[in-house]
Amino acid sequence: DAGVTQSPTHLIKTRGQQVTLRCSPKSGHDTVSWYQQALGQGPQFIFQYYEEEERQRGNFPDRFSGHQFPNYSSELNVNALLLGDSALYLCASSVTPGNTEAFFGQGTRLTVV
Amino acid sequence: KNQVEQSPQSLIILEGKNCTLQCNYTVSPFSNLRWYKQDTGRGPVSLTIMTFSENTKSNGRYTATLDADTKQSSLHITASQLSDSASYICVVTRMDSSYKLIFGSGTRLLVRP
Repeated sequence: DAGVTQSPTHLIKTRGQQVTLRCSPKSGHDTVSWYQQALGQGPQFIFQYYEEEERQRGNFPDRFSGHQFPNYSSELNVNALLLGDSALYLCASSVTPGNTEAFFGQGTRLTVV
Repeated sequence: KNQVEQSPQSLIILEGKNCTLQCNYTVSPFSNLRWYKQDTGRGPVSLTIMTFSENTKSNGRYTATLDADTKQSSLHITASQLSDSASYICVVTRMDSSYKLIFGSGTRLLVRP
């Protein structure tokens, strides 16, 4: 049983470019949440997807957008990259957006130069 | 304000020794509290999850306690091993329609031989 998988594991982009990160949830999970984790900090909530819709959103600008597909996988898109977007991006999946265990992927390390 | 604060920020101990990490929270209404272990550059892995009615929960050499009255939790690591070197993150779930996870900044533990 595969856990949460994210791709790519590492990525280097230039300021102003756009990036797409991908996440496949744990088998049986239908809810995907995305987090941004700066070095030495705890994860910061970006948004959550359930039933192919954005259900909740953290304090992130519109440059951050996402999508969930019918198979529950999800993408995180970031436009007009800034140097400050460099971080570890984590995806977590759970069974419905409720009070259940959340499992994290290994993350995508994004470096903006 | 819904916050999770952890102490100490970092900790260095010798292999074989015990240590205790602290977590104080102001999240309300409270649903559950989780401790995650995060290796550098990797996604968090769940250690324990406790609801309001649970005072203690163990996972091998890890024992978490919860005092819901004082809104405090601790994670005790017994007979530390080099592989325990990681960040330990306390996460509190808010009991509302969002079941939002609120993360602490983590305690960075280094176990030295």
